[in-house]
Amino acid sequence: GENVEQHPSTLSVQEGDSAVIKCTYSDSASNYFPWYKQELGKGPQLIIDIRSNVGEKKDQRIAVTLNKTAKHFSLHITETQPEDSAVYFCAVLPWRSNFGNEKLTFGTGTRLTIIP
Amino acid sequence: DSGVTQTPKHLITATGQRVTLRCSPRSGDLSVYWYQQSLDQGLQFLIQYYNGEERAKGNILERFSAQQFPDLHSELNLSSLELGDSALYFCASSVDEAGGGVGEQFFGPGTRLTVL
Repeated sequence: GENVEQHPSTLSVQEGDSAVIKCTYSDSASNYFPWYKQELGKGPQLIIDIRSNVGEKKDQRIAVTLNKTAKHFSLHITETQPEDSAVYFCAVLPWRSNFGNEKLTFGTGTRLTIIP
Repeated sequence: DSGVTQTPKHLITATGQRVTLRCSPRSGDLSVYWYQQSLDQGLQFLIQYYNGEERAKGNILERFSAQQFPDLHSELNLSSLELGDSALYFCASSVDEAGGGVGEQFFGPGTRLTVL
């Protein structure tokens, strides 16, 4: 099955600086890579995703880059703000050979703390 | 607010008991997924239903079962509960479009289960 590794497990950055979280995966057939943000007491919230035919995607202060050859993808948050403090999870979905068989495999999470 | 609702928010019960967790997907979403989140195991996929039928199974114990009803809401039944079943249980939903499209998964707020 798919194996997803996420680093670092904790990250503290000064407000205004950038944060980068990286995930590597094992299944070269994977083609969908979402990132989720989970705040305390809440469910994971999809913040950005990328598909295998795209190398980079940006949404305001958040960007995701994908390197399919190296089988890794990264979340970049620029100009960090206190409200960015949360746990971030990457996830990977393999190419769907059977309709409806969507099994996301999650990374172990990164606890991001923004220092005011 | 993702549009996915889960009840109850908290559940405290004793070992050996049986509980039912309920999930209502976003309007229009046909797929429902169940995940377990514990401190040592992270986010683990349990099971997926699409339009009433089981589609994919993950690390779901035999003591656990789920179903999706004609109105598309889903229930996760946990029986013979053990201390180790204490965790957050999340439901997610997606449109799961036909034709090979990958639908983003939207998570509910979760049910915190405590087994004493």
